[in-house]
Amino acid sequence: SQKIEQNSEALNIQEGKTATLTCNYTNYSPAYLQWYRQDPGRGPVFLLLIRENEKEKRKERLKVTFDTTLKQSLFHITASQPADSATYLCALGFSGGYNKLIFGAGTRLAVHP
Amino acid sequence: EPEVTQTPSHQVTQMGQEVILRCVPISNHLYFYWYRQILGQKVEFLVSFYNNEISEKSEIFDDQFSVERPDGSNFTLKIRSTKLEDSAMYFCASRGQTYEQYFGPGTRLTVT
Repeated sequence: SQKIEQNSEALNIQEGKTATLTCNYTNYSPAYLQWYRQDPGRGPVFLLLIRENEKEKRKERLKVTFDTTLKQSLFHITASQPADSATYLCALGFSGGYNKLIFGAGTRLAVHP
Repeated sequence: EPEVTQTPSHQVTQMGQEVILRCVPISNHLYFYWYRQILGQKVEFLVSFYNNEISEKSEIFDDQFSVERPDGSNFTLKIRSTKLEDSAMYFCASRGQTYEQYFGPGTRLTVT
């Protein structure tokens, strides 16, 4: 069956450390993968997109990797801050259609001062 | 910075009633989407809309649901006869020529 798995337990880290979140998928062949941030009661906010032929993408303190062999993406936040506390969603996108996104359940990140 | 807006922010309705959720996508975007998120669960795709017609829909999007772009700015989702299980946050999203989607703040629908 098709699955997208993100760490179901909350990730607690100390301010200033690097947070690493994982997204694994099974029986999908995405053309790209996106990471979103969601705060309670709010809509997802786009962070980064990485294509299947890209290994790594960076934006400021954010880095995402994509390994289509392992069927895994890693999302890193360096020098984390309490303001980074939120739920982070990975979403798979596909070519040949109108680009619906299939979301994982998300990982809650808590950054403690 | 342009953003997607949605109204109302919260809608309470009785089972069997019709509701219309409204969205104003980003003005130069061409692709429009509705997603829903039941409390504590993942964001689920409902429907995509392009060139004034539905381009793809999920199994959730049955005959009780419809979408419309009645003018050049609004994009609506109608649920004809609401059920208790329709209670959820409904998100509208839009995108331009690139793949990233921009989501609205959501409408919380409560069916009693």
